[in-house]
Amino acid sequence: KQEVTQIPAALSVPEGENLVLNCSFTDSAIYNLQWFRQDPGKGLTSLLLIQSSQREQTSGRLNASLDKSSGRSTLYIAASQPGDSATYLCAVINRDDKIIFGKGTRLHILP
Amino acid sequence: DTGVSQNPRHKITKRGQNVTFRCDPISEHNRLYWYRQTLGQGPEFLTYFQNEAQLEKSRLLSDRFSAERPKGSFSTLEIQRTEQGDSAMYLCASSFAGPGDTQYFGPGTRLTVL
Repeated sequence: KQEVTQIPAALSVPEGENLVLNCSFTDSAIYNLQWFRQDPGKGLTSLLLIQSSQREQTSGRLNASLDKSSGRSTLYIAASQPGDSATYLCAVINRDDKIIFGKGTRLHILP
Repeated sequence: DTGVSQNPRHKITKRGQNVTFRCDPISEHNRLYWYRQTLGQGPEFLTYFQNEAQLEKSRLLSDRFSAERPKGSFSTLEIQRTEQGDSAMYLCASSFAGPGDTQYFGPGTRLTVL
């Protein structure tokens, strides 16, 4: 059974710092992996999608990496800003179409 | 295209009542997904449709839950005889084709069962 774990559960950093959010999954036979952002009481916004054949994707200050063999992904946020404060969710899409989410990392950027 | 929309945004009901939520996906998206998210947890898959066909249902979807997508466009999720444990955010998402395509999420419907 696929399990997705995100570490840390919560993180507070001063504005301007670079940071890394971690995601691990137990079954490496995934179709792709996706990072989402969720603001309090809101739906999910897709940030980056990495196909299983890819190693990383970049969008602006965000970079996501994928190491399928070790079951790990990281989301790197450069030069953090207060507007980055949100919950970041990692989701793996299995080849049987099932989508499994982690519990998320609650990020707070201190102004 | 205004994205995925869900109505209502909030619903408060008494235990034992029936509730129905609606999801309007992005037009021309043929896949539609329903998820449930409780506080401090990630979304959990409930069911999904390919056009009007309901292809899979999670074990989380008890017989009190039913979802439809009659014309392959909007979808409804009905919960009968609500229980306090049904209190959660119900999220809808749509995608163009399959698991390789990005899912676009709606704002969710927050259900509170008193």
